[in-house]
Amino acid sequence: AQSVTQPDIHITVSEGASLELRCNYSYGATPYLFWYVQSPGQGLQLLLKYFSGDTLVQGIKGFEAEFKRSQSSFNLRKPSVHWSDAAEYFCAVVNQAGTALIFGKGTTLSVSS
Amino acid sequence: GAGVSQSPSNKVTEKGKDVELRCDPISGHTALYWYRQSLGQGLEFLIYFQGNSAPDKSGLPSDRFSAERTGGSVSTLTIQRTQQEDSAVYLCASSLTSASGYEQYFGPGTRLTVT
Repeated sequence: AQSVTQPDIHITVSEGASLELRCNYSYGATPYLFWYVQSPGQGLQLLLKYFSGDTLVQGIKGFEAEFKRSQSSFNLRKPSVHWSDAAEYFCAVVNQAGTALIFGKGTTLSVSS
Repeated sequence: GAGVSQSPSNKVTEKGKDVELRCDPISGHTALYWYRQSLGQGLEFLIYFQGNSAPDKSGLPSDRFSAERTGGSVSTLTIQRTQQEDSAVYLCASSLTSASGYEQYFGPGTRLTVT
């Protein structure tokens, strides 16, 4: 069965430091991958997506992610974190039927000053 | 333009009562999805609509859960005889067409509390 794993439940990063959130997926074919962010009490906002082509994708708010087929990974990165980036981040893959997103359990990001 | 809207934003109900949750997708989006977000289970898919039909209902947890979509637009998720384990945030999303090629846009959710 398809699955998405986010190994880190909670990460704390100093403001201005770089960030990498890990995501691994299981899927046989070329996956459609997404990163969403959820601030407290808010819905999910799309950060970026990968469908095909260039394996390094740029998103909103200065985020980027790199698709690595050999490692079944789609890690999210940001060179310099801002306090406003504190939120929960979800990695997701479209299911084989193309009818739904399968989400990881999420990683909560805290930003320290 | 307007995003996905959901109502009510919060709903408190007594165990055993029925509830209806509403979703208004982005205009022109033919695909609509319901998800549930709870502390123990994370984000779970419930049902997918393409137009007014629901080709994938595989995520509905029991026959107490049902959903419909009328006019290819508004959708209602109904939970009958609510149980405490139904307490969660119910999220609705829409996309231009099927999930494979297009991103899903999420509403703010309805927080359901069953007492």
